[in-house]
Amino acid sequence: DGGITQSPKYLFRKEGQNVTLSCEQNLNHDAMYWYRQDPGQGLRLIYYSQIVNDFQKGDIAEGYSVSREKKESFPLTVTSAQKNPTAFYLCASSSYSNEAFFGQGTRLTVV
Amino acid sequence: AQSVTQLGSHVSVSEGALVLLRCNYSSSVPPYLFWYVQYPNQGLQLLLKYTTGATLVKGINGFEAEFKKSETSFHLTKPSAHMSDAAEYFCASAGAGSYQLTFGKGTKLSVIP
Repeated sequence: DGGITQSPKYLFRKEGQNVTLSCEQNLNHDAMYWYRQDPGQGLRLIYYSQIVNDFQKGDIAEGYSVSREKKESFPLTVTSAQKNPTAFYLCASSSYSNEAFFGQGTRLTVV
Repeated sequence: AQSVTQLGSHVSVSEGALVLLRCNYSSSVPPYLFWYVQYPNQGLQLLLKYTTGATLVKGINGFEAEFKKSETSFHLTKPSAHMSDAAEYFCASAGAGSYQLTFGKGTKLSVIP
């Protein structure tokens, strides 16, 4: 089945630690996105990529990094510089001027 | 820049009553418009989309939305609410020729038995 797979579903991070969230798609979509979701704030765009080896900052990129070495993969690293990383993270992909397809999300908690 | 406004962060309806979730967009050019639904701790699922053509769009689970250019609106409706409709709903827009989606802040729908 075609779709987007995010892993892990739950992730715990210690203070000062970097963690990487995985996102893989087999929909052959050019564009991929990372969103952060906090209660009452909707979806906020962290980074997006329209093509391999290229990506752009979204509204809240500070403390995050991404890579796009393959069309299918768009991992997100939450660095120690992100002071409030506890949130629900959603990965999505889309084709040109079309709807986005979402993964099931990763819930990150700082312990 | 595009923006999407959803009126009401929380809407409650009785089971069997009409569901109306409001969405207004701002764009100088009619955008592509979408409604998504999110159940707790899950990703977003597309309900319906408007790109071009017929302004009344039918989606899954009995939902529909009407694109009204004069009102810059794309409100979501369902004639009769079901308990399983309780979820959070997001309206989104994309400019024609653009990859980037702009989301509203979401409306949480509660269905009262």
